[in-house]
Amino acid sequence: DTGVSQDPRHKITKRGQNVTFRCDPISEHNRLYWYRQTLGQGPEFLTYFQNEAQLEKSRLLSDRFSAERPKGSFSTLEIQRTEQGDSAMYLCASSSRDRPTSGNTIYFGEGSWLTVV
Amino acid sequence: GEDVEQSLFLSVREGDSSVINCTYTDSSSTYLYWYKQEPGAGLQLLTYIFSNMDMKQDQRLTVLLNKKDKHLSLRIADTQTGDSAIYFCAPKGGSYIPTFGRGTSLIVHP
Repeated sequence: DTGVSQDPRHKITKRGQNVTFRCDPISEHNRLYWYRQTLGQGPEFLTYFQNEAQLEKSRLLSDRFSAERPKGSFSTLEIQRTEQGDSAMYLCASSSRDRPTSGNTIYFGEGSWLTVV
Repeated sequence: GEDVEQSLFLSVREGDSSVINCTYTDSSSTYLYWYKQEPGAGLQLLTYIFSNMDMKQDQRLTVLLNKKDKHLSLRIADTQTGDSAIYFCAPKGGSYIPTFGRGTSLIVHP
């Protein structure tokens, strides 16, 4: 396994611009999660996919946030019309539902830092 | 929803044991994870415990679970300066979504 990969690692954008983050999960992991982490806080759940189905999206922070996983492999998280309050680290994680004996362990990527100026 | 509470800071001397405590509210939590986060980095999975266990040992790490009190702890034996980081417990319940609190900053001093 090469681990969960996120791109870009760092993004600086002007307020009002759109940004997109990409996550490549561990191969054959069918569950994929997005979290947001702000300074001094723990990760806050945003949304979750099982294969290509988005099973939970009610906690996306606003309608400016959207996520896709079109082929059940990589995923993208888009933030439209960014605001300064969107500055945070966006974390992606993946797991396999088919490995209960290993705790369906959830592995995180290194995160994508967003700074909105 | 699930609430997770941890002390914000813990300071220990190098070579001592560290005990990081966590309380949670969701009694349906099936797996409970411990993660480590170093500055500017993602989360590294340290260990996990099933809800039907009360203890798990993994090298220097010991996890204790009191399901009745919804209390989880992580003991790190022989704490080293490289263990300085933020530690998160993350219970996962029937929703399959791990929930995080604010984490505990472990400071190891010589």
